[in-house]
Amino acid sequence: SQQGEEDPQALSIQEGENATMNCSYKTSINNLQWYRQNSGRGLVHLILIRSNEREKHSGRLRVTLDTSKKSSSLLITASRAADTASYFCATDAERGYNKLIFGAGTRLAVHP
Amino acid sequence: EPEVTQTPSHQVTQMGQEVILRCVPISNHLYFYWYRQILGQKVEFLVSFYNNEISEKSEIFDDQFSVERPDGSNFTLKIRSTKLEDSAMYFCASSVEVELSGNTIYFGEGSWLTVV
Repeated sequence: SQQGEEDPQALSIQEGENATMNCSYKTSINNLQWYRQNSGRGLVHLILIRSNEREKHSGRLRVTLDTSKKSSSLLITASRAADTASYFCATDAERGYNKLIFGAGTRLAVHP
Repeated sequence: EPEVTQTPSHQVTQMGQEVILRCVPISNHLYFYWYRQILGQKVEFLVSFYNNEISEKSEIFDDQFSVERPDGSNFTLKIRSTKLEDSAMYFCASSVEVELSGNTIYFGEGSWLTVV
């Protein structure tokens, strides 16, 4: 089964707007993490939310987790052109923490 | 901020050649990983390593792959006989702990491997 499927696949917005990306998964998890990847670069860790948490903030980022729906959202407020990147959610499996399963990602383009 | 470093950033190799990708995990971390991302595809787990042994590996991580921590700082991925389909970005990652505090996994910038 697939874990960590994001939608939309691509999102194009203007600077200053908010961007919301969603992630769904199928099995129980311990943690869900969001990562950012600039084209051809490494994965930058943004935020980790644990299965017993519902919402977490970090600067302009807000992450929610709904374990009953097996879904998470990443909100970037007041977006900037520099936020242009791909965003991935990654889940571990409840029985083990070591292996992250990534979704296909959302490609975000923020236009000046 | 401490970071995971990887070398080389890009390597081109002939099919059938051996490749070693090197990583220096964050210094106080105990868990080490390799992931790969074929161009345009998802990031895939290859292997996790703890206490000098493999703790988990994926189906991709077959006999042509091996990992080693040759000293106190380096963590390597060896591909014995490269195939065209091994062309990908290989990411090393590390984390400090699991269980109650959550397992934040930090990734390096990646090593692009092109097999020709």
